[in-house]
Amino acid sequence: QKEVEQNSGPLSVPEGAIASLNCTYSDRGSQSFFWYRQYSGKSPELIMFIYSNGDKEDGRFTAQLNKASQYVSLLIRDSQPSDSATYLCAVNENDYKLSFGAGTTVTVRA
Amino acid sequence: SQTIHQWPATLVQPVGSPLSLECTVEGTSNPNLYWYRQAAGRGLQLLFYSVGIGQISSEVPQNLSASRPQDRQFILSSKKLLLSDSGFYLCALAGGPREQYFGPGTRLTVT
Repeated sequence: QKEVEQNSGPLSVPEGAIASLNCTYSDRGSQSFFWYRQYSGKSPELIMFIYSNGDKEDGRFTAQLNKASQYVSLLIRDSQPSDSATYLCAVNENDYKLSFGAGTTVTVRA
Repeated sequence: SQTIHQWPATLVQPVGSPLSLECTVEGTSNPNLYWYRQAAGRGLQLLFYSVGIGQISSEVPQNLSASRPQDRQFILSSKKLLLSDSGFYLCALAGGPREQYFGPGTRLTVT
């Protein structure tokens, strides 16, 4: 299984601040990159995907991809207490399989 | 829209007992289906995936097995559970180009 590394966390940010999550991957051939949010005791929920270099914005979330550096990040702007969760980075190994990072836990302080 | 059902939601089983977890999906046909396990405080471990009826790929050698008897049904089984089988079992389907969506999960505690 290909390696996907994430900030070990936990990451604590004040309400209204920007939370920045980082992910690096080992396989230069990876084409698709995903961010999942997992609340405690719940299953992961897909919140963002990105395929091309650059930024992709969806509401308060921005995914950034740099294939040359094998790096993908997630920015959460105007963080809210409801954003407190574990965020999982995933990278495709092939057309069928994803490799997941261990996750970064984010706590937003009110 | 696609929906994934898993049952049971929670399960407590003694060591050495058998296991059967079921996953069914709606709103799609011939999906790629996946079984993952998430141990407490750990990442997601891919156990099995299936690209069609009767087709199972195993990712981790262990005492678990999977079957896909119908297009929208995926079953995870064990003949004898180990303590290390405890965890959160997640069924997922491929909903688009490589993206995967997860069901609600089954939390298994082996005692």
